[in-house]
Amino acid sequence: EIVLTQSPVTLSLSPGERATLSCRASQSVATYLAWYQQKPGQAPRLLIYDASTRAPGIPARFSGSGSGTDFTLTISSLEPEDFAVYYCQQRSSWPPLTFGGGTKVDIK
Amino acid sequence: QVLLVESGGGVVRPGSSLRLSCAASGFTFRSFSIHWVRQAPGQGLEWVAIISKDGVNKYFADSVKGRFTISRDNSKNTVHLQMDSLRPDDTAVYYCAREHDHGDYFGFWGQGTLVSVSS
Repeated sequence: EIVLTQSPVTLSLSPGERATLSCRASQSVATYLAWYQQKPGQAPRLLIYDASTRAPGIPARFSGSGSGTDFTLTISSLEPEDFAVYYCQQRSSWPPLTFGGGTKVDIK
Repeated sequence: QVLLVESGGGVVRPGSSLRLSCAASGFTFRSFSIHWVRQAPGQGLEWVAIISKDGVNKYFADSVKGRFTISRDNSKNTVHLQMDSLRPDDTAVYYCAREHDHGDYFGFWGQGTLVSVSS
């Protein structure tokens, strides 16, 4: 099973700041990695797939990068609606499909 | 637009069974695999199961293997998750999710249904 480790667990930032979230895989997943955003009481929403491709309707301030075992989700300038929990997920080797433990981006 | 609606959740005793349903609309149902993903209270996301578009291939997380089964009815655009021998650690919100156009990511999600297993 591929284990995904996200860091930091919590990221405290102010609106307008840049957010950098990390996801590390226990073995290479090539670029078969996605990022999701989840707000309280809501289902997750797909932001990025194949490491760097934005899903339809996702603002350009969200970008993904990386390959192999190290990945980054960057939010270039935080908007108030971006404060949420973010998860990475791999589809390189499954079952099982696996998620990281999540990074909470909260307001400083 | 794509819509997934889960139902069937509730409060049950350990050892009981429950059947969740996922009703889909807004896309060609028979062309996509469907997943179940769960989230325990205050916890992260855990993939549970997948059924292929034709219903032939089914895979499960080790945590539910042998206790959960999955089925689909392409004539009714519905997927079912049969959960037997439920345990307290099965307590979670269960989401159904449609596979993405570009592979086994979760492109669309339902709103979730809560399953609570408690004595």
